Amino acid sequence: DTEVTQTPKHLVMGMTNKKSLKCEQHMGHRAMYWYKQKAKKPPELMFVYSYEKLSINESVPSRFSPECPNSSLLNLHLHALQPEDSALYLCASSQRGGGASTEAFFGQGTRLTVV
Amino acid sequence: LAKTTQPISMDSYEGQEVNITCSHNNIATNDYITWYQQFPSQGPRFIIQGYKTKVTNEVASLFIPADRKSSTLSLPRVSLSDTAVYYCLVGDWGITGGGNKLTFGTGTQLKVEL
Repeated sequence: DTEVTQTPKHLVMGMTNKKSLKCEQHMGHRAMYWYKQKAKKPPELMFVYSYEKLSINESVPSRFSPECPNSSLLNLHLHALQPEDSALYLCASSQRGGGASTEAFFGQGTRLTVV
Repeated sequence: LAKTTQPISMDSYEGQEVNITCSHNNIATNDYITWYQQFPSQGPRFIIQGYKTKVTNEVASLFIPADRKSSTLSLPRVSLSDTAVYYCLVGDWGITGGGNKLTFGTGTQLKVEL
């Protein structure tokens, strides 16, 4: 199984709502990532978890709250978002092996629309 | 962090070989060069990765000169379905002490026509 599964695929939420994005992988990867991608732009790194601990936060606003409950699961909790937060949210995972770098696997993303 | 520079766009025709070059002048000793392909509204997909010289797999080749300050992705005999954005990333996806701050550059939009 070389898949990273993201749910939901699409999400529409109001600015006062609270919602969560979910990401799951069963490849034994111990690094997991959240990226945000606006139309016609490259993915922007938001958070990195390494061994279930937050290791990188790219100065993301607090209305985005990541959580890594276990080594297979990564959540992104959303609260009081703004319309400009509408984007494709991508999850990825990777695992180092034996002195060589390895590829990262990306999910298909969650298309988020804030109204 | 190693910054990458790629052409914004390239055009080609079906059956042609396409070479996309990426410049990464401040690549670090431990960094690998990885290329991803992305179709609209999908997650990036791994194409190929290398450290030095030449790497080939079933879909592409990656050429890396001795100084490693640039790399070239070669796609043989492209088809319409190869129309996508191609990203060059430089860094280490593996887990080290503090995590991995891998960032995407602007990417190259490849358009393949009949």
